[in-house]
Amino acid sequence: TQLLEQSPQFLSIQEGENLTVYCNSSSVFSSLQWYRQEPGEGPVLLVTVVTGGEVKKLKRLTFQFGDARKDSSLHITAAQPGDTGLYLCAGVRDQGGKLIFGQGTELSVKP
Amino acid sequence: KAGVTQTPRYLIKTRGQQVTLSCSPISGHRSVSWYQQTPGQGLQFLFEYFSETQRNKGNFPGRFSGRQFSNSRSEMNVSTLELGDSALYLCASSLAVTYEQYFGPGTRLTVT
Repeated sequence: TQLLEQSPQFLSIQEGENLTVYCNSSSVFSSLQWYRQEPGEGPVLLVTVVTGGEVKKLKRLTFQFGDARKDSSLHITAAQPGDTGLYLCAGVRDQGGKLIFGQGTELSVKP
Repeated sequence: KAGVTQTPRYLIKTRGQQVTLSCSPISGHRSVSWYQQTPGQGLQFLFEYFSETQRNKGNFPGRFSGRQFSNSRSEMNVSTLELGDSALYLCASSLAVTYEQYFGPGTRLTVT
């Protein structure tokens, strides 16, 4: 059983469409991070959210941390082919604990 | 600042052999973590080292081990390789208080 469940697992859309990726858990996390990984490379950190209800924007990407700090979402507006990749959420439950990753969402944006 | 480097990038080994992978963290980062990534299991945490001490460990058999040196460089070793050990092995460094991981490009291990 995954501690962090991501949905959907696969997403194929056309350039210009909007999309949302979800990261859910029954556990409370002290912080949550989102990464993007391109083929042949390691994941790259996009954002960290710490406070319940927090919203962070990174150009066309909007990240939200749930009020109860059990879930998070990533919304992409007007997706572009350059957004293609594997999106991973990761959370820390306790200070000093290990970082737990979701299984990832594979996004493909077609021109 | 130079990023996280991992060597080698690609490796082919035979069942039963052992392998050592190396990771150099970003300068100033004292925490180094190792992950195994496969299509079926995703990104699985192996272990984390901080100041030469193993601080956290994932659910992997004892064939997987690691260590960290005084300069924060880290190595991981896999003994008695099995076909199922074929994976991308990622190393990440961080400033421990933030847990934000800076990943290297990974070592692609193929066991035949």
